[in-house]
Amino acid sequence: QVQLVESGGGLVKPGGSLRLSCAASGFTFSDYYMSWIRQAPGKGLEWITYIDSRSGHTNYADSVKGRFTISRDNAQNSLFLEMNSLRGEDTAVYYCARVRSTYLHMDVWGKGTKVTVSS
Amino acid sequence: DTQMTQSPSSLSASIGDRVTITCRASQNIGNFLNWYQQKPGKAPRLLIYAASNLQSGVPASFSGSRSGTDFTLTISSLQPEDFATYYCQHSYGTPSTFGQGTKVEIK
Repeated sequence: QVQLVESGGGLVKPGGSLRLSCAASGFTFSDYYMSWIRQAPGKGLEWITYIDSRSGHTNYADSVKGRFTISRDNAQNSLFLEMNSLRGEDTAVYYCARVRSTYLHMDVWGKGTKVTVSS
Repeated sequence: DTQMTQSPSSLSASIGDRVTITCRASQNIGNFLNWYQQKPGKAPRLLIYAASNLQSGVPASFSGSRSGTDFTLTISSLQPEDFATYYCQHSYGTPSTFGQGTKVEIK
């Protein structure tokens, strides 16, 4: 079945780095845009970045621009989020999601991976 | 950037009630408005896309509508499994933004 599984979360010190992965299955990964969305503890959802299906065009929220990098490996059906210069406010559950190109709605979500930034 | 103002932030309702949640966009976003449901500890689930299109597998008790820059999610008859937090999201360019969320609780 269509599935997204995130991994790579954990505890990291402020200023540190972390790389999240999202493994896709059950659909043709290379046909879809993909996004990362996060949710801080007890807070709402925050869209942080997306990447298109093939050209690698990306876009970022101001809150992560210059610190986070989204990438993908279509041969491995995988999405990545490289996170550098991490701050306490980056503490959140990070979700990857499949994006439909018509109205850019996110129709499949992973279960999330938790990132905690703390000394 | 386009901001989404969602209201109310919470509401209490009974089984069988009709529930309405609204989102107002700070500028014209056409029909690029989506609704999600999230239950505690779970990932969000797409309910409605493009303002009024029901996602496959979502009960017909959910519906969405648009009037200009105002968008509405309606649950026609609240069921026990509908108690959750609901978010709107605009997808009209980037950055995409979500509303603040509406928590639907049992009265």
